[in-house]
Amino acid sequence: QQQVKQSPQSLIVQKGGISIINCAYENTAFDYFPWYQQFPGKGPALLIAIRPDVSEKKEGRFTISFNKSAKQFSLHIMDSQPGDSATYFCAASARSFGANSKLTFGKGITLSVRP
Amino acid sequence: ETGVTQTPRHLVMGMTNKKSLKCEQHLGHNAMYWYKQSAKKPLELMFVYNFKEQTENNSVPSRFSPECPNSSHLFLHLHTLQPEDSALYLCASSPRAGSSGNTIYFGEGSWLTVV
Repeated sequence: QQQVKQSPQSLIVQKGGISIINCAYENTAFDYFPWYQQFPGKGPALLIAIRPDVSEKKEGRFTISFNKSAKQFSLHIMDSQPGDSATYFCAASARSFGANSKLTFGKGITLSVRP
Repeated sequence: ETGVTQTPRHLVMGMTNKKSLKCEQHLGHNAMYWYKQSAKKPLELMFVYNFKEQTENNSVPSRFSPECPNSSHLFLHLHTLQPEDSALYLCASSPRAGSSGNTIYFGEGSWLTVV
C-alpha cells in the first residue's frame, strides 16, 4: 500500500518556467511533509518542509502549497533553472506515531529543465 | 567533508560472496538508518538504530545483517545476496529516531550490483 503518491512521473520544463510537482497522502495522522531533492550520484537532501498549520511556505524560488481537506501538497519551483534538474521526493510522517514515527517517501519524480 | 560518509561507493559481488557496507556520520546524531533505493520505487526503509539499539527491522531478509557499534558508525553485512538485491543503499542519520519533523541527512549511497 503506497501511502504517499507523487505525480506526474516525470516533468520537463523550459528554463524560466514554473515546475509543479504534486503529492497525495492517505493517512490523516501525517503532520510533517518534507520535499527532498536528489542529484545524480548524490543522496537525497531536504529541500523544504511544511506542517499542516499553514497552507503555504516559501523559501526562495521554492514554495510548498498544502491542502489539508484534499490531503494533497505540492512543490512549486519558480523561474526553473537547469541546475534544478534532479529527482524530487515528497514524504510524510506523524508525531502521533511516537517512537514509530518515520518518513514515508513517494516514488520520486525526475525534473528536467531545458536551457 | 560530508556529514554522512559511505564506503564503498560501488560494489560488485557474486551471490556467494560476503561483503560489508560502511557508514559514518559526523553530525553528532543518535539515530542511523539504512534505506534501499531501486528504480521507480519509493525509498524503502530497512533498519533503524536509535542510540545504538535497533528499533526497526522492516521485514528485511536475513541475508542483510546490520551492525551499529556506536552512534557514529553503521554497517550492513551482506551474504548470499540475490540479483534483485542490486540497488543503491543509502545510509542516513538524524538527531534521534521516532520524532516527526526530524531532518534526515543522507549519505551519497553505495551502488551494489549482485552478479
